[in-house]
Amino acid sequence: AQSVSQHNHHVILSEAASLELGCNYSYGGTVNLFWYVQYPGQHLQLLLKYFSGDPLVKGIKGFEAEFIKSKFSFNLRKPSVQWSDTAEYFCAVISNDYKLSFGAGTTVTVRA
Amino acid sequence: GAGVSQSPRYKVAKRGQDVALRCDPISGHVSLFWYQQALGQGPEFLTYFQNEAQLDKSGLPSDRFFAERPEGSVSTLKIQRTQQEDSAVYLCASSSRAGGPYNEQFFGPGTRLTVL
Repeated sequence: AQSVSQHNHHVILSEAASLELGCNYSYGGTVNLFWYVQYPGQHLQLLLKYFSGDPLVKGIKGFEAEFIKSKFSFNLRKPSVQWSDTAEYFCAVISNDYKLSFGAGTTVTVRA
Repeated sequence: GAGVSQSPRYKVAKRGQDVALRCDPISGHVSLFWYQQALGQGPEFLTYFQNEAQLDKSGLPSDRFFAERPEGSVSTLKIQRTQQEDSAVYLCASSSRAGGPYNEQFFGPGTRLTVL
């Protein structure tokens, strides 16, 4: 079955620490990969996306993600987090249609 | 407004009641999606409209769930005879072109449904 797995349910870290959130997917064919973020009290918004080309993609607010096809992974990173990065982060995949398949999400809490 | 809006933001229903959830997509957006997000989970696809046509309803969990978009803009998700397992956040998303992997979906704030 097709699925998206996020490794961590809740991550707590201090400001200026580095962040890496894991995401693995199980799809047999072409995949298009996304990270969405939901800040407290706000709606889901797109952080970054990968369709093809350079496997290292950069998104808004200093986030980046790396697509490693051999590992079926699309991990999200940020070198130095801020308190305002406190949010829930969702990895998502679209295969060859339009249905986003989401992981369960990772709650990130950044302590000042 | 510029974004997707949903109403009501919160809905409490007694088991067995019917509910209707409204989505106003971004003006001019062709595609409209409904997702269901249970507590502690990511959103799951329910149904897809291209203009007024419901092209995919494969994610609707039962025949108690019904969605419509009669004029190709506002959409309503209706749940009949609500059950406790229907408690979730219902998200609406729209995109500017026909559904496909390259068309960004813009999400609304969701409606949190609690069935008692």
